[in-house]
Amino acid sequence: GENVEQHPSTLSVQEGDSAVIKCTYSDSASNYFPWYKQELGKGPQLIIDIRSNVGEKKDQRIAVTLNKTAKHFSLHITETQPEDSAVYFCAASRGGGATNKLIFGTGTLLAVQP
Amino acid sequence: DVKVTQSSRYLVKRTGEKVFLECVQDMDHENMFWYRQDPGLGLRLIYFSYDVKMKEKGDIPEGYSVSREKKERFSLILESASTNQTSMYLCASRPSGRMEDTQYFGPGTRLTVL
Repeated sequence: GENVEQHPSTLSVQEGDSAVIKCTYSDSASNYFPWYKQELGKGPQLIIDIRSNVGEKKDQRIAVTLNKTAKHFSLHITETQPEDSAVYFCAASRGGGATNKLIFGTGTLLAVQP
Repeated sequence: DVKVTQSSRYLVKRTGEKVFLECVQDMDHENMFWYRQDPGLGLRLIYFSYDVKMKEKGDIPEGYSVSREKKERFSLILESASTNQTSMYLCASRPSGRMEDTQYFGPGTRLTVL
């Protein structure tokens, strides 16, 4: 089955710097890759996603890139702010259908130092 | 706004007790999920349900069962709680099985088994 590895497990950056979180997946049939942000005391929330037919997607300060050949995808956060501090999870799934499910990475704790 | 609510934020139970964790969603979603979240292990799928009375095992179903008698409610049952089931439990719902459908998470229940 699918396996998703996520690195680093913790990341500390200065406010205003960029942060990059990387994930690799094992199932070449995976074609949907969402990123979730979990703030303290809350459940994860979708922040951006990408399909396998797209190489890059941006939404203001966040972007996701996908390299299908290498089977890895990354989250990029520019101009980080203290409110970006959270745990970030990547995930992968293949296809749709009633039993379609996400396989999550192990999470990255991002700390943005003011 | 989609709302996924969980019956308790914190729960303390004793070994051997039967434990019920309740989850309710208010958006008529077909799919519902139960995950457990442990440090360094990310989100692991316990069970999911793609329709009323339908359920499917996730990656770590041992020691758990589920019930979905109504579309809006998905219950996780620990038949005989054990200390290794101390964890954060997250419920999620999704409109259907389409690839791009977003999963919406509840705030989580932190269960401690003594």
